[in-house]
Amino acid sequence: KNEVEQSPQNLTAQEGEFITINCSYSVGISALHWLQQHPGGGIVSLFMLSSGKKKHGRLIATINIQEKHSSLHITASHPRDSAVYICAPHSGTYKYIFGTGTRLKVLA
Amino acid sequence: NAGVTQTPKFQVLKTGQSMTLQCAQDMNHEYMSWYRQDPGMGLRLIHYSVGAGITDQGEVPNGYNVSRSTTEDFPLRLLSAAPSQTSVYFCASSYWRDNEQFFGPGTRLTVL
Repeated sequence: KNEVEQSPQNLTAQEGEFITINCSYSVGISALHWLQQHPGGGIVSLFMLSSGKKKHGRLIATINIQEKHSSLHITASHPRDSAVYICAPHSGTYKYIFGTGTRLKVLA
Repeated sequence: NAGVTQTPKFQVLKTGQSMTLQCAQDMNHEYMSWYRQDPGMGLRLIHYSVGAGITDQGEVPNGYNVSRSTTEDFPLRLLSAAPSQTSVYFCASSYWRDNEQFFGPGTRLTVL
């Protein structure tokens, strides 16, 4: 069983829809990162969470440490949100564990 | 600030050749790491460093060497390239181990 599971693997949405991407992990963590990888390949860090909820613009990330689950929400989605979203728990050692990503496509 | 820079962006090697992928950051970050990204798999850690002069192996270190002589630079050496090393390589840095990571633009390597 993978240590990090993301769902869905692929997601197509219409512009304006509310989107949720889920991440479940099986290890104890000190923090969890959400990353965005654009079609050109560049990777950008969106959030780092160790508890609760964070919001940045139209993006909201939540984490439940007890349930070992995190979600990334996108409100009022836009075609420019089309990217791969990667969940990366950090175990507190020097190691991140990366999910395989959720490929999001937002249609105009 | 330039952030994290990587060179080259693309490289084609023949089996058995050696080369060095360059990575530099200008944010005075202590923690630097190299990852490879293969289709259908998450990023995998090759080597990491927690400061100048200190390096350690990650998940998939075989066939790669690193050194960290300065805080800024963290080159990755392929000793004898193999087709299994065809991948996209990312360098990343952060202030400390579980802080926000900043990624370089990546190097797409093909080994024939």
